[in-house]
Amino acid sequence: KQEVTQIPAALSVPEGENLVLNCSFTDSAIYNLQWFRQDPGKGLTSLLLIQSSQREQTSGRLNASLDKSSGRSTLYIAASQPGDSATYLCAVRFNSGGSNYKLTFGKGTLLTVNP
Amino acid sequence: NAGVTQTPKFQVLKTGQSMTLQCAQDMNHNSMYWYRQDPGMGLRLIYYSASEGTTDKGEVPNGYNVSRLNKREFSLRLESAAPSQTSVYFCASSEQGFYGYTFGSGTRLTVV
Repeated sequence: KQEVTQIPAALSVPEGENLVLNCSFTDSAIYNLQWFRQDPGKGLTSLLLIQSSQREQTSGRLNASLDKSSGRSTLYIAASQPGDSATYLCAVRFNSGGSNYKLTFGKGTLLTVNP
Repeated sequence: NAGVTQTPKFQVLKTGQSMTLQCAQDMNHNSMYWYRQDPGMGLRLIYYSASEGTTDKGEVPNGYNVSRLNKREFSLRLESAAPSQTSVYFCASSEQGFYGYTFGSGTRLTVV
């Protein structure tokens, strides 16, 4: 079964700290991997999309890496701010033959950045 | 650019009532999806439509039906609501292949 796992489930850090969120997936045959942010009671906002042929993507203070062979992705957040507090979701588009449309989600990491 | 629009944002139903959740996208995407999000379970796919005129079951389709009305609109229907269907429902759209998903803001449904 194709699964996505995120560790840790929750993380609390002081403001200004650099941090890493982890995502692992069970099948290396993927189309792409997408990181989302979800604020409480809100929808999902796309942060970064990494294609299977790419090693990393960067947007501002965010950097996402992808290692297909080991089934891992990391989201690096530099100089964290209280406004970064949210749940971060990792989602994988597996290459399942003809059915390559679906995203499979991890359960997320709840990040709290303390002032 | 509105992206993906869902209506309603909130709804309370009594057990056995029916309702339709509406979703529309203005990005000319071919594929559309319905997910539900529950505490401790993450997001799970209910149904998807790879292209206009097609629909397929996802991971948790029981108790739901869908209609791909046209390229823009994809609705989710609960024929006889049950308390187990209390959840937050998200609609999303994407292009096929090497593109990401765009999500709507969600519908918070409570069945009492």
